[in-house]
Amino acid sequence: ETGVTQTPRHLVMGMTNKKSLKCEQHLGHNAMYWYKQSAKKPLELMFVYSLEERVENNSVPSRFSPECPNSSHLFLHLHTLQPEDSALYLCASSQDMGGWDSPLHFGNGTRLTVT
Amino acid sequence: GENVEQHPSTLSVQEGDSAVIKCTYSDSASNYFPWYKQELGKRPQLIIDIRSNVGEKKDQRIAVTLNKTAKHFSLHITETQPEDSAVYFCAASKGGSYIPTFGRGTSLIVHP
Repeated sequence: ETGVTQTPRHLVMGMTNKKSLKCEQHLGHNAMYWYKQSAKKPLELMFVYSLEERVENNSVPSRFSPECPNSSHLFLHLHTLQPEDSALYLCASSQDMGGWDSPLHFGNGTRLTVT
Repeated sequence: GENVEQHPSTLSVQEGDSAVIKCTYSDSASNYFPWYKQELGKRPQLIIDIRSNVGEKKDQRIAVTLNKTAKHFSLHITETQPEDSAVYFCAASKGGSYIPTFGRGTSLIVHP
């Protein structure tokens, strides 16, 4: 058990579909993050929530829509995606945002394939 | 904002050799430097971290050194083993509400 659980592990969707990725953390952390990891690319920060408020939106296309209903859950809603959106989507949490002794705890990720 | 450069992008060593991965950062106010290991098909996991008030930290075969003046920090792995093969990411952050900035990652390959 990682403490951060992501579902589904794998997702294949067409460009016209609508789907959602789910992340749940059982660590009592206050900050949650969505990262995109593509082949041979660095971790790309997408969204950050701190105490359920969005504090960062890194110029992410509107076809990605985050939702944080409470401090334990984070969603990423997907619609009309493009093939280049195929990647591993990682959720992470931390006790606080950015502070020392507050490392990120990652989930196992959702491997997304857009056809 | 903070910028973290990581080198090399790929590192290939023989089992038993040492491996060193280096990162530089741009913001002198950064004070926390974690390292993450991501094995193939798995999630990144914290392996060691260092605060700015410490110059070196060791944990068995891994160590991290920090040079605040030069604004660089390094990960050292001694007596490498095949299970050390993974992608390693460095990161830098400041206390307070600052999001950690990651390096681009180093793919370490340890040949048996």
